[in-house]
Amino acid sequence: EAGVAQSPRYKIIEKRQSVAFWCNPISGHATLYWYQQILGQGPKLLIQFQNNGVVDDSQLPKDRFSAERLKGVDSTLKIQPAKLEDSAVYLCASSFGQGSYEQYFGPGTRLTVT
Amino acid sequence: DAKTTQPPSMDCAEGRAANLPCNHSTISGNEYVYWYRQIHSQGPQYIIHGLKNNETNEMASLIITEDRKSSTLILPHATLRDTAVYYCIGGGSYDKVIFGPGTSLSVIP
Repeated sequence: EAGVAQSPRYKIIEKRQSVAFWCNPISGHATLYWYQQILGQGPKLLIQFQNNGVVDDSQLPKDRFSAERLKGVDSTLKIQPAKLEDSAVYLCASSFGQGSYEQYFGPGTRLTVT
Repeated sequence: DAKTTQPPSMDCAEGRAANLPCNHSTISGNEYVYWYRQIHSQGPQYIIHGLKNNETNEMASLIITEDRKSSTLILPHATLRDTAVYYCIGGGSYDKVIFGPGTSLSVIP
């Protein structure tokens, strides 16, 4: 089966610019996650969707980050305006949902803010 | 959610068993232990999970102590491709895992 797809793989922007990341989860997966991984650290959950509803966005910096999952399939994560400390890898993951113990991760988008 | 403690790094000779320890002394009775790994420049990959009993799959074995305060992930015959950061996650719900810094395992030829 096809894995979790993410694009772009790399992005370089200047601070105060905006950027958007796209994720296509595995077909049939109800739950979708966005993580931020800063160099040398483990991934940190930003937001979790169940179908097209938000389950947890407690660690999402809502003043600059936004995410949506229209129609319960693809998702986009946006940063506006970007700060230097947003430089990280942004990982998307998906799972079947209730009763599933395994999350499947995409390759990530490496963002560099200069 | 339970806090976990792992050594920051470990080495293992190729072909030998790699035993990765994890302490999760604050885990509650109904919380699972999960292991993921992350190979350089890739997203994390699920390995195994367990509650009380020892578990084995095609990738690894998970040994959980009787008091559930610690566990060990065993890669029976480590290969160079097993070089990665290994994350032990103690606790959380089935669909929510909290990653720590993990253990960086280097498999040495």
